[in-house]
Amino acid sequence: DGGITQSPKYLFRKEGQNVTLSCEQNLNHDAMYWYRQDPGQGLRLIYYSQIVNDFQKGDIAEGYSVSREKKESFPLTVTSAQKNPTAFYLCASSTGQPGQETQYFGPGTRLLVL
Amino acid sequence: GENVEQHPSTLSVQEGDSAVIKCTYSDSASNYFPWYKQELGKRPQLIIDIRSNVGEKKDQRIAVTLNKTAKHFSLHITETQPEDSAVYFCAGMDTGFQKLVFGTGTRLLVSP
Repeated sequence: DGGITQSPKYLFRKEGQNVTLSCEQNLNHDAMYWYRQDPGQGLRLIYYSQIVNDFQKGDIAEGYSVSREKKESFPLTVTSAQKNPTAFYLCASSTGQPGQETQYFGPGTRLLVL
Repeated sequence: GENVEQHPSTLSVQEGDSAVIKCTYSDSASNYFPWYKQELGKRPQLIIDIRSNVGEKKDQRIAVTLNKTAKHFSLHITETQPEDSAVYFCAGMDTGFQKLVFGTGTRLLVSP
């Protein structure tokens, strides 16, 4: 867990504004993931990337965008098209290799709308 | 794709009692089933996992059992303590897309 960092811890978004959440890992993991968690709810997959320069939509990708230009980094942008972005955002990573599927989570970013 | 269902949504026990949380999955090819514990405001942390070639796995007070035929797996916590109070998530591997699919979570409350 200690090898995955997310910033900022809290983020405030104004109407019509795009904001970017940072996720960095130094675990040499190939796969990275973004989840959204609403209060009292489970984890919903937004986007995931199994290798650099490639990513796939998860279950709730609308209103979000990602990039994977470096192995260590997988930033998530919450666009103005996401009308209800208030949630706890969790980034995770794994080796992506068969037999090593364990995902390790970052500390999360709490996004609030002003 | 994989679908994971988790029950119960809340579970209250007295300290020292056992707690059991159950999950079912749909992907018969799924081969990896982790359990995560999430304390309030914190990140989920892996507490135990099991692979499809094993029927049971134990780690001190925690055990997980897997029934591949029935496609269900369970988390067992014995001698519960107040610090076990948290939300527990099960997950199964979607083998088609190589991603974890999480259950909806169980809020466990252990009363002293």
